[in-house]
Amino acid sequence: EAAVTQSPRNKVAVTGGKVTLSCNQTNNHNNMYWYRQDTGHGLRLIHYSYGAGSTEKGDIPDGYKASRPSQENFSLILELATPSQTSVYFCASGDPTSYEQYFGPGTRLTVL
Amino acid sequence: GDSVTQTEGQVTVSESKSLIINCTYSATSIAYPNLFWYVRYPGEGLQLLLKVITAGQKGSSRGFEATYNKETTSFHLQKASVQESDSAVYYCALRGGMLSGSFNKLTFGAGTRLAVCP
Repeated sequence: EAAVTQSPRNKVAVTGGKVTLSCNQTNNHNNMYWYRQDTGHGLRLIHYSYGAGSTEKGDIPDGYKASRPSQENFSLILELATPSQTSVYFCASGDPTSYEQYFGPGTRLTVL
Repeated sequence: GDSVTQTEGQVTVSESKSLIINCTYSATSIAYPNLFWYVRYPGEGLQLLLKVITAGQKGSSRGFEATYNKETTSFHLQKASVQESDSAVYYCALRGGMLSGSFNKLTFGAGTRLAVCP
């Protein structure tokens, strides 16, 4: 019973199209995060949230929006996808008391 | 800003041999950041391997250990005898302070792929 799940696991999109990546957590954590991972780079923070209704910009927010409609769900939205957004995306939930983050399995996005 | 540098690319080790993956950090948002090692097995998300929140302390898990050295700003990952099942990607990370712009933000290294050969 995975605590953080992501969908889809793989996605191929066209340039200019809209893409929505979904994340669900059953940890009941207030904090949630979206990262992307590219070869030669560590995970880089795109957006994060402190709770339902909140979204904050991370280090590389340009070209991305986020939505946190509930404690459990956190979405990443690419309104106009570009090939530079081809990457692996990880969602995580965070335990503020232990500072640990719990990650989903990742979504591989290819933008053609 | 905060940054983490770790052994680049892939490390190949024969089974039962020792391993060290280097990690050094630079923290501008906080004097003594919390330090973590995460591991990602094929097809899975990252999972916490070990953490140390106090400078000078050692963390250990599943035969791996890492010591928080504030003098050399290092947090190298070591294991005395690796197994094939240890093949994975390992990430060093630090948790910055409020000045990092987002509380509980983790800054990651680029990851080191470990391949253990039988």
